[in-house]
Amino acid sequence: ELKVEQNPLFLSMQEGKNYTIYCNYSTTSDRLYWYRQDPGKSLESLFVLLSNGAVKQEGRLMASLDTKARLSTLHITAAVHDLSATYFCAGGYMEYGNKLVFGAGTILRVKS
Amino acid sequence: DAEITQSPRHKITETGRQVTLACHQTWNHNNMFWYRQDLGHGLRLIHYSYGVQDTNKGEVSDGYSVSRSNTEDLPLTLESAASSQTSVYFCASSENSDTQYFGPGTRLTVL
Repeated sequence: ELKVEQNPLFLSMQEGKNYTIYCNYSTTSDRLYWYRQDPGKSLESLFVLLSNGAVKQEGRLMASLDTKARLSTLHITAAVHDLSATYFCAGGYMEYGNKLVFGAGTILRVKS
Repeated sequence: DAEITQSPRHKITETGRQVTLACHQTWNHNNMFWYRQDLGHGLRLIHYSYGVQDTNKGEVSDGYSVSRSNTEDLPLTLESAASSQTSVYFCASSENSDTQYFGPGTRLTVL
């Protein structure tokens, strides 16, 4: 059974600083997603990672996947206030059909 | 533009009542999903469907049911609402194993 754990669950950081959110999963996952959720809003897809070593970047966010370590990271570079949101990772694998298993989410607050 | 909508956006009901939450997507996606979101738990899968007439139970399906009579809609029914079902409910759809796209959510309060 696939389990997904994120840490930290809450992150308060200063503008301009760098930080990383970690997403560990328990069994084989052949695709890993990152989503963003603003307060009171829906989930917005950020990245899809499909293979070992995959790296994707969008603005100040960069996501990577290490399938051997069963680890994905979301790195934040020079944080700005607009990045404040909750970030979820979710894993899935072909034998599990098209279902996803979500982590608990990381609440990110960027302070000016 | 294609989209996924949910209604109502907010609902207050009483314990024991039957409640149906609607989900409608215009992408023509085969896959549709219902999740509930509770603080500290992320999103947990309630029910899902891979096509018309196909429905499957997810991780937290007790007390919920779905039906899929066409591609566009997957309504979620709470047979007899309980206070433990107070939550935010999200519907999502996807094509095969591609990214799931989420609706705006329904905030349900059971008194």
